Amino acid sequence: EPEVTQTPSHQVTQMGQEVILRCVPISNHLYFYWYRQILGQKVEFLVSFYNNEISEKSEIFDDQFSVERPDGSNFTLKIRSTKLEDSAMYFCASRRDLTEAFFGQGTRLTVV
Amino acid sequence: AQKVTQAQTEISVVEKEDVTLDCVYETRDTTYYLFWYKQPPSGELVFLIRRNSFDEQNEISGRYSWNFQKSTSSFNFTITASQVVDSAVYFCALTSGNTPLVFGKGTRLSVIA
Repeated sequence: EPEVTQTPSHQVTQMGQEVILRCVPISNHLYFYWYRQILGQKVEFLVSFYNNEISEKSEIFDDQFSVERPDGSNFTLKIRSTKLEDSAMYFCASRRDLTEAFFGQGTRLTVV
Repeated sequence: AQKVTQAQTEISVVEKEDVTLDCVYETRDTTYYLFWYKQPPSGELVFLIRRNSFDEQNEISGRYSWNFQKSTSSFNFTITASQVVDSAVYFCALTSGNTPLVFGKGTRLSVIA
């Protein structure tokens, strides 16, 4: 069964460093998302991506964040200068149409 | 704006008991989709069920059933004969289709043997 895959599963980085979180969505899906979940809290929307551009973003998705789909298969989230409060589980999701989203296993980002 | 409320923060039941997880939603759209996701201790988000706003028929799938009532904007989820493996955080979510999924805060279910 096709699935969304994310790498790495866990990333530890020093405050101020740049990180890139990688995702491979399901191949015939058209809509891509990044969500964030701070430990023990709700799943929060960051950004949606469709037709090679950002379609919507939340207040959390400030200038420190960027997304790319560089090669038609990968979908990346970059955080330019990490802060302690960026520590969270980051989920990538994809949708074939405008119904359910399928999520990857998540990348646990720890900023020290 | 869309909103999902899961008033139950934590529920604890003894194995084999039935348990219902509550979800209340808010949306101005006439077409929308509701979902339940499960997040086990391993952390991934697993899609369980979807319901369309234009289909209020309630269904049963194995030990899972759901009760969708537009009149009260509720989408409740029931697990029959709970098992220890059902222990997880359960999230209710909402989208109008062209909007990202909006999640509730989740309900942590503990099933005790």
